[in-house]
Amino acid sequence: KQEVTQIPAALSVPEGENLVLNCSFTDSAIYNLQWFRQDPGKGLTSLLLIQSSQREQTSGRLNASLDKSSGRSTLYIAASQPGDSATYLCATNTGNQFYFGTGTSLTVIP
Amino acid sequence: GAVVSQHPSRVICKSGTSVKIECRSLDFQATTMFWYRQFPKQSLMLMATSNEGSKATYEQGVEKDKFLINHASLTLSTLTVTSAHPEDSSFYICSASRLVTGGELFFGEGSRLTVL
Repeated sequence: KQEVTQIPAALSVPEGENLVLNCSFTDSAIYNLQWFRQDPGKGLTSLLLIQSSQREQTSGRLNASLDKSSGRSTLYIAASQPGDSATYLCATNTGNQFYFGTGTSLTVIP
Repeated sequence: GAVVSQHPSRVICKSGTSVKIECRSLDFQATTMFWYRQFPKQSLMLMATSNEGSKATYEQGVEKDKFLINHASLTLSTLTVTSAHPEDSSFYICSASRLVTGGELFFGEGSRLTVL
């Protein structure tokens, strides 16, 4: 069974700093990997989807990379803002079974 | 991105009553819908996977008679918590996928259930 791990569990950075969130998974036979954001008491918002054939995806200040062979993905957030404070989760898709990491709680300090 | 709507966002009910939560994909046909439960400060716990027109597949430990899932159309799935008890109080979230495999996952806004 796929195991997805996110490190660190919590991260606090000053506004304006660039940061990297990590996601690792045990089974490299994935269709895609998706990064989500969850605000307290809300559902998940899809940020980026990387298909298995892709190495990275970018959206605004966000850049996600995927290295299937090593079972790793990173989410890079440039010039962080207080509004980026949320929990970030990654999830792998292995044939319509989605496995989630436990998330990284990010706090951006003004 | 695609939109998944979940309703109600909050519901408070008395112990012993049943509560229905709806999950709709508004602008796409969802071949598969998923129901999750989330406890405070924890990740998502998959409860069941439902495909349109067929019975839901429940995860181990989830009572199918307690949590009734119906996926009657490609745009609607419902979760009914039957004879709810205080321990059923939780945050329930649905998600939908457009493709059988390799699809992107979209989430509803979640439903906060409080059983008194």
